[in-house]
Amino acid sequence: EIVLTQSPDFQSVTPKEKVTITCRASQSIGSSLHWYQQKPDQSPKLLIKYASQSISGVPSRFSGSGSGTDFTLTINSLEAEDAATYYCHQSSSLRYTFGQGTKLEIK
Amino acid sequence: QVQLVESGGGLVKPGGSLRLSCAASGFTFSDYYMSWIRQAPGKGLEWVSYISSSGSTIYYADSVKGRFTISRDNAKNSLYLQMNSLRAEDTAVYYCAPSGYSGYAPFDYWGQGTLVTVSS
Repeated sequence: EIVLTQSPDFQSVTPKEKVTITCRASQSIGSSLHWYQQKPDQSPKLLIKYASQSISGVPSRFSGSGSGTDFTLTINSLEAEDAATYYCHQSSSLRYTFGQGTKLEIK
Repeated sequence: QVQLVESGGGLVKPGGSLRLSCAASGFTFSDYYMSWIRQAPGKGLEWVSYISSSGSTIYYADSVKGRFTISRDNAKNSLYLQMNSLRAEDTAVYYCAPSGYSGYAPFDYWGQGTLVTVSS
Protein backbone atom coordinates (compact mmCIF):
# COMPACT_ATOMS: atom_id res chain seq x y z
CA GLU A 1 0.00 0.00 0.00
CA ILE A 2 1.25 3.49 -0.87
CA VAL A 3 1.16 5.66 2.25
CA LEU A 4 0.62 9.40 1.86
CA THR A 5 1.76 11.61 4.74
CA GLN A 6 0.62 15.23 4.85
CA SER A 7 2.09 18.06 6.87
CA PRO A 8 1.06 19.91 8.84
CA ASP A 9 -2.02 18.25 10.32
CA PHE A 10 -3.40 21.65 11.35
CA GLN A 11 -2.53 25.23 10.56
CA SER A 12 -4.02 28.51 11.80
CA VAL A 13 -3.46 31.28 9.26
CA THR A 14 -4.51 34.86 8.60
CA PRO A 15 -6.18 36.13 5.42
CA LYS A 16 -3.81 37.10 2.59
CA GLU A 17 -1.13 34.76 3.96
CA LYS A 18 0.54 32.21 1.68
CA VAL A 19 -0.04 28.60 2.74
CA THR A 20 1.94 25.52 1.80
CA ILE A 21 0.76 21.97 2.47
CA THR A 22 3.01 19.04 1.67
CA CYS A 23 2.23 15.43 0.82
CA ARG A 24 4.92 12.75 0.83
CA ALA A 25 4.41 9.33 -0.75
CA SER A 26 6.04 6.18 0.59
CA GLN A 27 7.16 5.29 -2.95
CA SER A 28 7.37 7.08 -6.26
CA ILE A 29 3.97 7.81 -7.82
CA GLY A 30 5.05 9.97 -10.74
CA SER A 31 2.51 12.76 -11.07
CA SER A 32 -0.52 10.69 -10.05
CA LEU A 33 -1.28 12.93 -7.07
CA HIS A 34 -4.47 14.94 -6.64
CA TRP A 35 -5.68 17.49 -4.09
CA TYR A 36 -9.17 17.94 -2.65
CA GLN A 37 -10.81 20.55 -0.46
CA GLN A 38 -13.54 19.56 1.98
CA LYS A 39 -15.53 22.19 3.86
CA PRO A 40 -17.58 21.22 6.93
CA ASP A 41 -20.67 19.14 6.07
CA GLN A 42 -19.79 19.13 2.36
CA SER A 43 -18.44 16.51 -0.02
CA PRO A 44 -14.81 16.78 -1.14
CA LYS A 45 -14.08 18.91 -4.18
CA LEU A 46 -11.22 18.34 -6.63
CA LEU A 47 -8.75 21.26 -6.57
CA ILE A 48 -5.67 20.09 -8.47
CA LYS A 49 -5.13 16.95 -10.54
CA TYR A 50 -1.93 15.17 -11.61
CA ALA A 51 0.17 17.21 -9.19
CA SER A 52 -0.06 20.55 -10.97
CA GLN A 53 -2.99 20.64 -13.40
CA SER A 54 -5.59 23.25 -12.60
CA ILE A 55 -9.31 22.52 -12.50
CA SER A 56 -11.89 24.70 -14.22
CA GLY A 57 -13.71 26.90 -11.75
CA VAL A 58 -11.08 26.62 -9.02
CA PRO A 59 -9.57 30.00 -8.06
CA SER A 60 -6.10 30.65 -9.46
CA ARG A 61 -4.66 31.16 -5.97
CA PHE A 62 -4.59 27.34 -5.68
CA SER A 63 -1.59 25.65 -7.32
CA GLY A 64 0.25 22.36 -7.05
CA SER A 65 3.75 21.11 -7.73
CA GLY A 66 5.96 18.09 -7.31
CA SER A 67 6.58 14.63 -8.69
CA GLY A 68 7.88 11.30 -7.51
CA THR A 69 7.41 11.30 -3.75
CA ASP A 70 7.14 14.95 -2.72
CA PHE A 71 4.23 17.21 -3.56
CA THR A 72 3.02 20.64 -2.51
CA LEU A 73 -0.30 22.45 -2.53
CA THR A 74 0.10 26.23 -2.36
CA ILE A 75 -2.63 28.73 -1.59
CA ASN A 76 -1.60 32.28 -2.43
CA SER A 77 -3.31 35.15 -0.65
CA LEU A 78 -5.57 33.04 1.53
CA GLU A 79 -9.22 34.02 1.78
CA ALA A 80 -11.67 33.34 4.60
CA GLU A 81 -13.61 30.92 2.39
CA ASP A 82 -10.53 28.68 2.19
CA ALA A 83 -11.13 27.40 5.73
CA ALA A 84 -11.38 23.66 5.11
CA THR A 85 -9.60 20.34 5.33
CA TYR A 86 -7.31 19.48 2.41
CA TYR A 87 -6.50 15.93 1.30
CA CYS A 88 -4.03 14.48 -1.15
CA HIS A 89 -4.86 11.26 -3.04
CA GLN A 90 -2.79 8.95 -5.23
CA SER A 91 -4.06 7.05 -8.26
CA SER A 92 -0.73 5.50 -9.26
CA SER A 93 -1.87 2.29 -7.63
CA LEU A 94 -5.46 1.17 -8.15
CA ARG A 95 -5.58 0.53 -4.40
CA TYR A 96 -6.06 4.22 -3.90
CA THR A 97 -4.94 5.98 -0.77
CA PHE A 98 -5.46 9.39 0.78
CA GLY A 99 -3.36 11.54 3.05
CA GLN A 100 -4.66 12.03 6.59
CA GLY A 101 -5.78 15.59 5.86
CA THR A 102 -4.64 19.10 6.76
CA LYS A 103 -7.12 21.34 8.52
CA LEU A 104 -6.78 25.06 7.82
CA GLU A 105 -8.25 27.48 10.32
CA ILE A 106 -8.58 31.15 9.42
CA LYS A 107 -7.74 33.51 12.27
CA GLN B 1 -24.28 18.27 -15.30
CA VAL B 2 -22.84 15.30 -13.43
CA GLN B 3 -25.02 14.01 -10.61
CA LEU B 4 -24.27 11.20 -8.20
CA VAL B 5 -26.98 10.31 -5.72
CA GLU B 6 -26.17 7.77 -3.02
CA SER B 7 -28.91 6.04 -1.06
CA GLY B 8 -29.52 3.05 1.17
CA GLY B 9 -27.74 4.17 4.32
CA GLY B 10 -29.23 3.88 7.77
CA LEU B 11 -28.90 2.35 11.22
CA VAL B 12 -27.98 -1.32 11.37
CA LYS B 13 -26.90 -3.64 14.18
CA PRO B 14 -23.41 -5.17 14.26
CA GLY B 15 -23.35 -8.25 12.07
CA GLY B 16 -26.15 -6.90 9.90
CA SER B 17 -26.28 -6.04 6.21
CA LEU B 18 -27.05 -3.04 4.03
CA ARG B 19 -27.03 -2.39 0.30
CA LEU B 20 -25.98 1.04 -0.91
CA SER B 21 -26.90 2.41 -4.31
CA CYS B 22 -25.49 5.24 -6.39
CA ALA B 23 -27.53 6.68 -9.25
CA ALA B 24 -25.35 8.44 -11.82
CA SER B 25 -26.30 10.92 -14.53
CA GLY B 26 -24.72 13.59 -16.70
CA PHE B 27 -21.92 11.39 -18.04
CA THR B 28 -21.54 8.10 -19.89
CA PHE B 29 -21.60 5.85 -16.84
CA SER B 30 -20.64 2.70 -18.75
CA ASP B 31 -17.33 4.29 -19.81
CA TYR B 32 -16.15 5.08 -16.30
CA TYR B 33 -14.44 3.16 -13.54
CA MET B 34 -16.27 3.77 -10.25
CA SER B 35 -15.29 3.74 -6.59
CA TRP B 36 -16.82 3.83 -3.15
CA ILE B 37 -15.03 6.02 -0.61
CA ARG B 38 -16.02 6.45 3.03
CA GLN B 39 -15.45 8.91 5.83
CA ALA B 40 -15.96 8.01 9.47
CA PRO B 41 -17.32 10.80 11.68
CA GLY B 42 -14.62 13.41 12.24
CA LYS B 43 -12.06 11.34 10.32
CA GLY B 44 -10.35 11.38 6.94
CA LEU B 45 -11.20 9.80 3.60
CA GLU B 46 -10.77 6.05 3.06
CA TRP B 47 -11.10 4.32 -0.31
CA VAL B 48 -13.30 1.22 0.00
CA SER B 49 -13.69 -0.44 -3.39
CA TYR B 50 -13.27 0.03 -7.13
CA ILE B 51 -14.91 -1.54 -10.19
CA SER B 52 -13.87 -1.22 -13.82
CA SER B 53 -16.25 0.06 -16.48
CA SER B 54 -17.20 -3.46 -17.58
CA GLY B 55 -17.21 -4.86 -14.07
CA SER B 56 -14.44 -7.31 -14.88
CA THR B 57 -11.87 -5.82 -12.47
CA ILE B 58 -12.66 -5.24 -8.81
CA TYR B 59 -10.48 -4.26 -5.87
CA TYR B 60 -11.25 -3.88 -2.19
CA ALA B 61 -9.52 -2.26 0.74
CA ASP B 62 -8.23 -4.88 3.19
CA SER B 63 -10.59 -3.49 5.83
CA VAL B 64 -13.68 -4.64 3.89
CA LYS B 65 -12.41 -7.57 1.82
CA GLY B 66 -14.61 -10.62 2.20
CA ARG B 67 -17.48 -8.60 3.68
CA PHE B 68 -18.36 -6.02 1.01
CA THR B 69 -19.26 -6.61 -2.65
CA ILE B 70 -19.23 -3.90 -5.29
CA SER B 71 -21.29 -4.22 -8.46
CA ARG B 72 -22.76 -2.09 -11.21
CA ASP B 73 -25.62 -2.10 -13.69
CA ASN B 74 -24.60 -0.06 -16.72
CA ALA B 75 -28.11 -0.29 -18.19
CA LYS B 76 -29.44 1.47 -15.09
CA ASN B 77 -26.47 3.83 -14.63
CA SER B 78 -26.14 2.52 -11.12
CA LEU B 79 -23.40 1.43 -8.74
CA TYR B 80 -23.97 -0.76 -5.69
CA LEU B 81 -22.21 -1.78 -2.49
CA GLN B 82 -23.48 -4.84 -0.63
CA MET B 83 -22.21 -4.64 2.93
CA ASN B 84 -22.38 -7.75 5.12
CA SER B 85 -21.08 -8.58 8.60
CA LEU B 86 -21.07 -4.91 9.46
CA ARG B 87 -18.94 -3.65 12.33
CA ALA B 88 -18.98 -0.48 14.40
CA GLU B 89 -15.87 0.69 12.54
CA ASP B 90 -17.84 0.66 9.26
CA THR B 91 -19.85 3.63 10.54
CA ALA B 92 -19.23 6.38 8.00
CA VAL B 93 -20.59 8.52 5.21
CA TYR B 94 -20.22 6.53 1.99
CA TYR B 95 -19.55 8.38 -1.27
CA CYS B 96 -19.51 7.10 -4.83
CA ALA B 97 -17.20 8.72 -7.38
CA PRO B 98 -16.08 8.10 -10.96
CA SER B 99 -12.36 7.65 -11.57
CA GLY B 100 -11.81 8.08 -15.25
CA TYR B 101 -11.66 5.72 -18.21
CA SER B 102 -8.81 3.66 -16.83
CA GLY B 103 -9.01 4.10 -13.07
CA TYR B 104 -5.68 5.94 -12.91
CA ALA B 105 -7.48 9.23 -12.46
CA PRO B 106 -8.73 11.64 -9.80
CA PHE B 107 -12.25 11.68 -8.41
CA ASP B 108 -13.64 14.55 -10.45
CA TYR B 109 -17.10 14.41 -8.95
CA TRP B 110 -18.59 13.30 -5.65
CA GLY B 111 -22.12 12.63 -4.49
CA GLN B 112 -23.55 13.99 -1.25
CA GLY B 113 -22.95 10.69 0.51
CA THR B 114 -25.15 8.35 2.52
CA LEU B 115 -24.62 7.74 6.23
CA VAL B 116 -24.24 4.21 7.55
CA THR B 117 -24.41 3.80 11.32
CA VAL B 118 -23.55 0.43 12.84
CA SER B 119 -24.68 0.30 16.44
CA SER B 120 -26.64 -1.92 18.79
